[in-house]
Amino acid sequence: QSVLTQPPSASGTPGQRVTIPCYGSTSNIGSNFVNWYQQLPGTAPKVLIHKNNQRPSGVPDRFSGSKSGTTAFLAISGLRSEDEADYYCAAWDNSLSAYVLFGGGTKLTV
Amino acid sequence: EVQLVESGGGLVQPGGSLRLSCAASGFSFSRYDMHWVRQATGKGLEWVSGAGISGDTYYPVSVKGRFTISRENAKNSLYLQMNNLRAGDTAVYYCARAETGTLFDYWGQGTLVTVSS
Repeated sequence: QSVLTQPPSASGTPGQRVTIPCYGSTSNIGSNFVNWYQQLPGTAPKVLIHKNNQRPSGVPDRFSGSKSGTTAFLAISGLRSEDEADYYCAAWDNSLSAYVLFGGGTKLTV
Repeated sequence: EVQLVESGGGLVQPGGSLRLSCAASGFSFSRYDMHWVRQATGKGLEWVSGAGISGDTYYPVSVKGRFTISRENAKNSLYLQMNNLRAGDTAVYYCARAETGTLFDYWGQGTLVTVSS
């Protein structure tokens, strides 16, 4: 069971806006940056958002990230069929059980 | 072009050992932390280990004492020695470069490890 908690699924229709939360604690999200990854079927994950809200070059501005306290959010606006994928949040954890945490993943259906 | 190519996966019996390798190219390997992340079929991502540029290593409780990560900068290579393997270790194992913290900016294609009798 992941210490970073995401809803297992989310859905939306083309053009809509969807928000995926990632719930953590003070030892991870509350005190460290959050990164988001997109994983298309059969491929390796790709970084979508880093340092809570920064987009790497090449990532459309339809994708945005934010953080409030111990919760991070990934928002996708103007949904497109090609956005159908699994999305994972990740954060460093200051406890001794694991240094790097991934959320359980959210499968987005468009 | 940055490339990470994993190898060494395969079928192993419970209690057995396996050594994974990751060949890196296209960047200055010694300047980056490197990590292993695994994914069981149909499941989420799980961080397995990390190796810092200073030789420091990190593990989650789930594999500590059984897995050993190492790097050979002269060969631009990352390794994962896995001992006392269990069925629950069955997964695709990815090698990933860490730009910083948990920002894994490049990933390999993965190598499949199956632990079964």
